[in-house]
Amino acid sequence: GIQVEQSPPDLILQEGANSTLRCNFSDSVNNLQWFHQNPWGQLINLFYIPSGTKQNGRLSATTVATERYSLLYISSSQTTDSGVYFCAASLTGTASKLTFGTGTRLQVTL
Amino acid sequence: NAGVTQTPKFQVLKTGQSMTLQCAQDMNHNSMYWYRQDPGMGLRLIYYSASEGTTDKGEVPNGYNVSRLNKREFSLRLESAAPSQTSVYFCASRSSGMANEKLFFGSGTQLSVL
Repeated sequence: GIQVEQSPPDLILQEGANSTLRCNFSDSVNNLQWFHQNPWGQLINLFYIPSGTKQNGRLSATTVATERYSLLYISSSQTTDSGVYFCAASLTGTASKLTFGTGTRLQVTL
Repeated sequence: NAGVTQTPKFQVLKTGQSMTLQCAQDMNHNSMYWYRQDPGMGLRLIYYSASEGTTDKGEVPNGYNVSRLNKREFSLRLESAAPSQTSVYFCASRSSGMANEKLFFGSGTQLSVL
């Protein structure tokens, strides 16, 4: 099956700083999504982005499918951005089976 | 609009006991999923149902069974719980249509097996 790797595993930022989280995947994908798990455990879908670039407020994501990676940008970070960020992908032709990476744990401090 | 609803939120079992985790979605989604989350391992797919009437194994199906009761409901059953099944369980659903492939999660069930 597909392998999904995220980096860095942990990240500590001061409020107001910018960051880039990376997701590498091992094969051609038809589905790539980013999630945020808040400190209470709730998983929120941030982006569905199998290719191209999307922006939502201070967050944006870019997927370069031909080079098998996706990036999540967080600008002007806030303490509410803390939590774990996951990417998940599924292989072309296997639309149902999303495989998750192990996540990047982000802590934003004052 | 409740989205994806899981019950119970917390459960403690003794080894060998059985239980069923319930999941329902009100978004008219075709596909439903059960994941487990363990520390440092991300989320791993247990079973999924691509559409009503079908179920398939995911990455870690051993020790679990599922039932897609109807389009709304997808349950996960532990027939004989083991300590290795201590985990947080998440149900999820998505449309499976090309225009709307986002995955939506329930709030999770924290299960401890003693």
